[in-house]
Amino acid sequence: AQTVTQSQPEMSVQEAETVTLSCTYDTSESDYYLFWYKQPPSRQMILVIRQEAYKQQNATENRFSVNFQKAAKSFSLKISDSQLGDAAMYFCAYRSASYSGAGSYQLTFGKGTKLSVIP
Amino acid sequence: SAVISQKPSRDICQRGTSLTIQCQVDSQVTMMFWYRQQPGQSLTLIATANQGSEATYESGFVIDKFPISRPNLTFSTLTVSNMSPEDSSIYLCSVIDHVLREQYFGPGTRLTVT
Repeated sequence: AQTVTQSQPEMSVQEAETVTLSCTYDTSESDYYLFWYKQPPSRQMILVIRQEAYKQQNATENRFSVNFQKAAKSFSLKISDSQLGDAAMYFCAYRSASYSGAGSYQLTFGKGTKLSVIP
Repeated sequence: SAVISQKPSRDICQRGTSLTIQCQVDSQVTMMFWYRQQPGQSLTLIATANQGSEATYESGFVIDKFPISRPNLTFSTLTVSNMSPEDSSIYLCSVIDHVLREQYFGPGTRLTVT
């Protein structure tokens, strides 16, 4: 079974600074997807960024980028120029890329990191 | 991206009663999912709901407790039956966009059982 570990329950960053959230995972599969989701106090889960395991290039979305180290099974999220609206819970998640039944699309989530942004 | 709505957004229910949560998607999707997020915790998959077939439940979740309906490609319901305070959670509906291979979530239903 796959597991996702986020070792930082809480982090804080000064507005306009850069912060990196850590995520490690364990899997025996070679093809999979990794995601970072943001959950603000409104509860809405928002997809921040996605990485396909077969791609060596790190995904980027505006101020958000990842450092994907497949051999080390590490998938960290870097937020540049942090804004007050970035304050939220951030969840790292794993999903298999191979389909073998309805459960194959299950997302396995880490426990989350609560990010605070200091004005 | 898919737009998902859920009803109700929140509810306070008495022990022993049942609540049905509705999930509506603005486009046709094959697979819909129901997740539970207990207070301060991460998300746990309850079941996968495909149109035209029985829902597939994850370990620890049973149909008698969490019956699911999926009458068409844009709608699903999750019922939380015979509720106890331990069922107090946020329940989230989710779908996969097979073109983009991305998974989207509804706004969640916050359930409190007293």
